[in-house]
Amino acid sequence: QVQLKESGPGLVKPSETLSLTCTVSGYSIRSDYFWGWVRQPPGTGLEWIGIMHHTGRTHYSVSLESRVTVSVDTSTNQLSLKMNSVTAADTAVYYCGGLTSCTRGTCAFDYWGQGILVTVSS
Amino acid sequence: QSVLTQPPSVSAAPGQKVTISCSGSSSNIGNYYVSWYQHLPETAPKLLIYENDKRPSGIPDRLSGSKSGTSATLGITGLQAGDEADYYCGTWDSSLSAFVFGTGTKVTVL
Repeated sequence: QVQLKESGPGLVKPSETLSLTCTVSGYSIRSDYFWGWVRQPPGTGLEWIGIMHHTGRTHYSVSLESRVTVSVDTSTNQLSLKMNSVTAADTAVYYCGGLTSCTRGTCAFDYWGQGILVTVSS
Repeated sequence: QSVLTQPPSVSAAPGQKVTISCSGSSSNIGNYYVSWYQHLPETAPKLLIYENDKRPSGIPDRLSGSKSGTSATLGITGLQAGDEADYYCGTWDSSLSAFVFGTGTKVTVL
């Protein structure tokens, strides 16, 4: 059974860096999936953040790419998210997920973590 | 502001049918597979439909998907109280080089 679980601080101060980790179990992160992050700010819809393939290919949301880094660690089967210079607008539930290729595959998020609430506040 | 537009809400009585539209363009829906997700508060989104009209194992055939041109549709028949949730379409956008979600639709069972 494939499981994804997010971890990290639930509270981050404005202007600091948000760092989250997602541990993938039951499936190799070396598989032909893109692994990445989606968030949902309070009262709004799902917002895609970015993805990375274990071969190094990355794609980021245009609105966030200047502040965001997604990385995968094949030795620990984890992916991570770093977002710098956060503001209150970055307060959201953050989900990690696995996306099949959109050019060669089904283009769907098959796997999801439970989500973690991150609040940006001083 | 998403490039995929959905109606904010739809509603129907138990046992009835609802359809949710997802309108896009040639840079997204027109050239890529569409997927649909159910999202309940404080839970992981759940994949309902992939490749426009296929259901993952465990998804009942009350749910159906279709695509025509630059639009896609999710249908739910035999509406149940447990179907009350937010629903999102999603696909790739080649102009943005990004995965995009629709604006989301809240389904209410009257």
